[in-house]
Amino acid sequence: EPEVTQTPSHQVTQMGQEVILRCVPISNHLYFYWYRQILGQKVEFLVSFYNNEISEKSEIFDDQFSVERPDGSNFTLKIRSTKLEDSAMYFCASSEAGASIYTQYFGPGTRLTVL
Amino acid sequence: SQQGEEDPQALSIQEGENATMNCSYKTSINNLQWYRQNSGRGLVHLILIRSNEREKHSGRLRVTLDTSKKSSSLLITASRAADTASYFCATDYGNNRLAFGKGNQVVVIP
Repeated sequence: EPEVTQTPSHQVTQMGQEVILRCVPISNHLYFYWYRQILGQKVEFLVSFYNNEISEKSEIFDDQFSVERPDGSNFTLKIRSTKLEDSAMYFCASSEAGASIYTQYFGPGTRLTVL
Repeated sequence: SQQGEEDPQALSIQEGENATMNCSYKTSINNLQWYRQNSGRGLVHLILIRSNEREKHSGRLRVTLDTSKKSSSLLITASRAADTASYFCATDYGNNRLAFGKGNQVVVIP
């Protein structure tokens, strides 16, 4: 069964450093998403992406964050200057289309630790 | 206000028993999805129920949706030790973003 993959599984970085989290969505899916889950808290929506542009973003997704689909398979989340509060599990998800009848399939997550 | 919010409870049940958890939300939705998360792992999709559906089954899982009460329930029948996990509901308001609840921790004792 096709699945969303994410790399790395765990990233440790120093505060102020840039990180790039990578995702490979399911191949025939057209919508891509990033969510995050701070330890012990809810899963929070960050951004959705369709047709090479952001379609929705939350208030968390400020100028420090950016997303990109650099080629036909990868979808990346960049945090330009990490803060301690960026430490969280970051999940990528994808869906066949954006209509609300389509399931969002999640990857296993990247645990980001900012020191 | 928080959307897609489960009754914040931890369930501890014996293997073979049924487990029920509830989720409530605030405004009209397009669909509601249930996910499972094993400790420190990713989110596994369980069931999607659309706003015009009232009940849905998948194996040992049964989901109901009551749009008049803005609530949903997830029933796991004949639970197994492998069902030990956190269960989340997530609501879709039609803007391609899911709003997750806080999750229910279920422990199935062998």
